[in-house]
Amino acid sequence: NAGVTQTPKFRILKIGQSMTLQCTQDMNHNYMYWYRQDPGMGLKLIYYSVGAGITDKGEVPNGYNVSRSTTEDFPLRLELAAPSQTSVYFCASRKQGIDEQYFGPGTRLTVT
Amino acid sequence: GIQVEQSPPDLILQEGANSTLRCNFSDSVNNLQWFHQNPWGQLINLFYIPSGTKQNGRLSATTVATERYSLLYISSSQTTDSGVYFCAGKAYNFNKFYFGSGTKLNVKP
Repeated sequence: NAGVTQTPKFRILKIGQSMTLQCTQDMNHNYMYWYRQDPGMGLKLIYYSVGAGITDKGEVPNGYNVSRSTTEDFPLRLELAAPSQTSVYFCASRKQGIDEQYFGPGTRLTVT
Repeated sequence: GIQVEQSPPDLILQEGANSTLRCNFSDSVNNLQWFHQNPWGQLINLFYIPSGTKQNGRLSATTVATERYSLLYISSSQTTDSGVYFCAGKAYNFNKFYFGSGTKLNVKP
């Protein structure tokens, strides 16, 4: 199992551009999460999904969109990128009934 | 949401020393995890410990759910233990996890 994979590893965006961060897991986990980590801080939940077709907002959803068309994939969309979205983005997943999360390696995004 | 407080925020140790990191929650959680974020930014699962005590080599963790705190013990610290340690919790029947701000550990040779 590859676990949770994220692409790209690094990206630089100009203000106003858009992009999609990809997250895939091969563990057949129902739950998937997107977090952002600002420098020197803990992780904050952006969006999560409890299964294909079902998503919900976390603590900091503004400026982001998600979709979950398959169990494996949970892409995060940034529209109209802003400098405040400069951060490291982590995707995580867990199995229903087991609360242990597994994290991907992260995507480092810079908006200038 | 749940407030998660970690202490101390920073810790410097000499190699071989022991330490205790603490995680307090503002509300009851039925799930608690400890993570180590290494200097390359990778998040590594250390413990999934809703209650009780677990040990893994030089690391052990204790969660007292009724008193809303968890402790992470590091014994005989090594330079490879350096990094940031996070705890995260989730309330029962909710899907959102809340992270603390972390304890930054620097183990000097």
